[in-house]
Amino acid sequence: DQQVKQNSPSLSVQEGRISILNCDYTNSMFDYFLWYKKYPAEGPTFLISISSIKDKNEDGRFTVFLNKSAKHLSLHIVPSQPGDSAVYFCAASDNAGNMLTFGGGTRLMVKP
Amino acid sequence: EAGVAQSPRYKIIEKRQSVAFWCNPISGHATLYWYQQILGQGPKLLIQFQNNGVVDDSQLPKDRFSAERLKGVDSTLKIQPAKLEDSAVYLCASSLNPAGAGSIQYFGAGTRLSVL
Repeated sequence: DQQVKQNSPSLSVQEGRISILNCDYTNSMFDYFLWYKKYPAEGPTFLISISSIKDKNEDGRFTVFLNKSAKHLSLHIVPSQPGDSAVYFCAASDNAGNMLTFGGGTRLMVKP
Repeated sequence: EAGVAQSPRYKIIEKRQSVAFWCNPISGHATLYWYQQILGQGPKLLIQFQNNGVVDDSQLPKDRFSAERLKGVDSTLKIQPAKLEDSAVYLCASSLNPAGAGSIQYFGAGTRLSVL
């Protein structure tokens, strides 16, 4: 039973355009959501997070949106750069930081 | 600041053999995690330590997997005996705070295990 799902295994975007990565979850206990980025042969690195009391969090070119009623979140990257090409994982935890559960990842390719 | 160190980077073994992985977390990080990442999937938590005590090992296959964190610093994860389905990348992560929302985990580069 996948509690965190990323339904798009891959996404290709032109440099300078917007990248939108989506994530759905099923567990109502999840209260905190994170995005991690992973380059080949490296471990995942933290990118941005959002608490369930918010519906938007922005950090530079990265914005995460949360729709709690739909149990859906998305990561927007504007403008996309070739260096953003990586695998992006959505993750969710309860409000104590426990039960951290990852989605299957979306491979983003930004073409110059 | 040094990151999470893991060794070895790669390991190839035959099924039914045993293998061990080592992790050195970021200095001062109290919480340490081991994840298993099978190709094409997201990381799955195997075990979480708070200092040298186990917080969560509900997804650790205890008949073959074991882990310890001596003195609340370094940790080892062992598989004995290995099965073909254990082929995966084993990631170690650490965080500064005890489990809490917003506690960022820092990951090592992982150990890629191939079981033949």
